[in-house]
Amino acid sequence: ETGVTQTPRHLVMGMTNKKSLKCEQHLGHNAMYWYKQSAKKPLELMFVYNFKEQTENNSVPSRFSPECPNSSHLFLHLHTLQPEDSALYLCASSQELAGVYNEQFFGPGTRLTVL
Amino acid sequence: GQNIDQPTEMTATEGAIVQINCTYQTSGFNGLFWYQQHAGEAPTFLSYNVLDGLEEKGRFSSFLSRSKGYSYLLLKELQMKDSASYLCAVMDSNYQLIWGAGTKLIIKP
Repeated sequence: ETGVTQTPRHLVMGMTNKKSLKCEQHLGHNAMYWYKQSAKKPLELMFVYNFKEQTENNSVPSRFSPECPNSSHLFLHLHTLQPEDSALYLCASSQELAGVYNEQFFGPGTRLTVL
Repeated sequence: GQNIDQPTEMTATEGAIVQINCTYQTSGFNGLFWYQQHAGEAPTFLSYNVLDGLEEKGRFSSFLSRSKGYSYLLLKELQMKDSASYLCAVMDSNYQLIWGAGTKLIIKP
């Protein structure tokens, strides 16, 4: 248990479906992240939120839409995905303090399959 | 461009020592992280190096040479539970983590 939970753990969806991934952190951190992990590839940073404000969007297609209603919750809304979007989606959190960047704590991930 | 290189896969024997290397080329440097990821699980933090030298933490040690753009993770007294992927990540000048693809470590009895 890392203090970061993600639901669902597994998701299968068609290309026309709309679904959402949920992440919750119980660590009191102020920064949250979405990553995409594909087999044998480096982790790809998708979005960063710091104090609920989006500070990073790494050229992610608009079919992925993040939402951060508060510093403990993070969502990733999915619509009209492509089969190449099938991957493990990881959420992480960390505590950022005036230039001191601490390690990130990861959730177990959502294994997404797009048919 | 930014690049992190580490071997794709390594095999070692239970009880032995293994060294996993990581070389990096990034725009700026604000520290290097090692994470462990068991299959189907979340990556978990192992170590952080920002200054040159060796950091020891139990059976695991991590070394950094900033001038060479090089780090290694040393695992001693290997146990079967150490079978996992080991991820190297560098924090660049924008405080973003740049990740390697990971090294899958297979431990044999």
